[in-house]
Amino acid sequence: DTEVTQTPKHLVMGMTNKKSLKCEQHMGHRAMYWYKQKAKKPPELMFVYSYEKLSINESVPSRFSPECPNSSLLNLHLHALQPEDSALYLCASSQFRGGNTEAFFGQGTRLTVV
Amino acid sequence: GENVEQHPSTLSVQEGDSAVIKCTYSDSASNYFPWYKQELGKGPQLIIDIRSNVGEKKDQRIAVTLNKTAKHFSLHITETQPEDSAVYFCAARRYNQGGKLIFGQGTELSVKP
Repeated sequence: DTEVTQTPKHLVMGMTNKKSLKCEQHMGHRAMYWYKQKAKKPPELMFVYSYEKLSINESVPSRFSPECPNSSLLNLHLHALQPEDSALYLCASSQFRGGNTEAFFGQGTRLTVV
Repeated sequence: GENVEQHPSTLSVQEGDSAVIKCTYSDSASNYFPWYKQELGKGPQLIIDIRSNVGEKKDQRIAVTLNKTAKHFSLHITETQPEDSAVYFCAARRYNQGGKLIFGQGTELSVKP
């Protein structure tokens, strides 16, 4: 099983709203990632968690706040977003952070900020 | 930092033909090269990968080749089918870069029946 599950699949939020994206994997992976993907572009790394600790923040604005409550769950808290933050948000996981381990992606959350 | 260039950006083939997508990377310390297929409205799906100690890997109709000296790797799809139509991304990762994948810009493959 190489499944990474993301909820919700679609989300529409206003610029003053607070919402959260959720990601879950049960493969025993100890590295989890958030990526942002705009239309017709490759995924761009936002955050990396390794053993539930934040190890990489790619200079992401503070209106995006990641959280890793346990080794299977990853959240992305959203607050005061801008219309340009509308994108597909992808979660991924891999056995470990580095080396040459495979990374598996979820189906993504399509976020629209109005 | 690492840069990955991918060509072509679009590729149209007839069903049954072969398709080849090429990527070039800049960081000689990169040691892991996955390929992802992304269908419309879905997340990227890992279809094949290759490590720097291997020159070629094959899985049914899909193969990947790696030339470390020239720093390029290629995806080969034989006997293409309409369901192969998707956007394909190559990526590269350095062993000590915290798991960060550097993606190419993507190739939109269209297989015409």
